[in-house]
Amino acid sequence: DVQLVESGGGLVKPGGSLRLSCAASGFTFNSHSMNWVRQAPGKGPEWVSSISSDSGTYTYYAESVKGRFTISRDNAKNSLFLQMNSLRAEDSGVYFCARDVVAATGQMDYWGQGVLVTVSS
Amino acid sequence: DIQMTQSPSSLSASVGDRVTITCQASQDINNYLSWYQQKPGKAPKLLIFDSSSLEKGVPSRFSGSGSGTDFTFTISSLQPEDVGTYYCQQYDNLPPWTFGQGTRVEIK
Repeated sequence: DVQLVESGGGLVKPGGSLRLSCAASGFTFNSHSMNWVRQAPGKGPEWVSSISSDSGTYTYYAESVKGRFTISRDNAKNSLFLQMNSLRAEDSGVYFCARDVVAATGQMDYWGQGVLVTVSS
Repeated sequence: DIQMTQSPSSLSASVGDRVTITCQASQDINNYLSWYQQKPGKAPKLLIFDSSSLEKGVPSRFSGSGSGTDFTFTISSLQPEDVGTYYCQQYDNLPPWTFGQGTRVEIK
């Protein structure tokens, strides 16, 4: 079975940093591009970032996080990461990693359970 | 960015009722639209992709239609386990891929 398990969330002060991880299993990780999607309390999901299956072809970011967040992956360890710097209150929410069906289609067929990030002083 | 407008924002229907949700894109997205179901504290679950294709394992009472800018999601016979929030999402071309604001479905 496909499994995606996020970790690394928590409470951080504005301006601080956090690194999220997503451990993948049950599928050929290096055959799929991967995404981070976040959801603020009571709001709809918001796509945050995507990375190609080989991690070298492309990375994409939402304008709201460009220059502050960095997506990366380690295919040898079946892991996806999101380094979040200069965090703001509006970055608070649940962060999900999500598998793209193939490569940068935007069609996300499996999601992790999510990890909570709270940015507050 | 492409804006996705869902309606209604919430609805209440009886078990066995037919339920319809609409989603309108701010520009032509061909048929690159998914529908997700989300229950409280859980991740979104993919139900429909490419506007009308049913994801594996999803009950056939769920269906989708539309292309261009106007899309419809239907539950043909509402069941108690269908309670949750439903989101549309467009994935036309390159990111940013965007979601609707959601429709909360409750049992009357």
